[in-house]
Amino acid sequence: DTEVTQTPKHLVMGMTNKKSLKCEQHMGHRAMYWYKQKAKKPPELIFVYSYEKLSINESVPSRFSPECPNSSLLNLHLHALQPEDSALYLCASSQESTSTEAFFGQGTRLTVV
Amino acid sequence: DQQVKQNSPSLSVQEGRISILNCDYTNSMFDYFLWYKKYPAEGPTFLISISSIKDKNEDGRFTVFLNKSAKHLSLHIVPSQPGDSAVYFCAASGGAQKLVFGQGTRLTINP
Repeated sequence: DTEVTQTPKHLVMGMTNKKSLKCEQHMGHRAMYWYKQKAKKPPELIFVYSYEKLSINESVPSRFSPECPNSSLLNLHLHALQPEDSALYLCASSQESTSTEAFFGQGTRLTVV
Repeated sequence: DQQVKQNSPSLSVQEGRISILNCDYTNSMFDYFLWYKKYPAEGPTFLISISSIKDKNEDGRFTVFLNKSAKHLSLHIVPSQPGDSAVYFCAASGGAQKLVFGQGTRLTINP
């Protein structure tokens, strides 16, 4: 199983809503990542978890709150988002945080209205 | 500061011919390079990689070439097939956790 599974595939939320994005992998990987991709731009790294601890936070606003409940799961909690936060949110995982190959999920297309 | 650059936003190639996608980088600390392929509405999927100690890596129809002195790498696809039509991202890593991606090149294979 080399899959990274993300749910939901699409999400539309209002600026006052609270929602969560979920990511799951069963490859035994100890590093998991959140990326944000705007249209016609490359994916940008926003969070890195290594052994369930947050190790990189790329200056992301507090309205994005990551959580790693266990080694297989990664959540991204969203609250009071802005329309400019609309993007494709990609989850990825790798064997270790120093590994250079990562496996990506299909992404959640988020629209903030 | 764009550390990884793919200067061609798009490329169109006849089916059966060779596709060559190019990537330049500026950070000499990068020591591992990857190519990802992305279809619409899907996440990038890993395609092929190369370590800085090599200058060529081949996997089936895909070959990546690395020219360290020129800080340039290229992905060759031969023969090109319609299913290869996608956006291709070059990415680089310097041993830290972060992958730096290029802007992507949209490859279209024409029948």
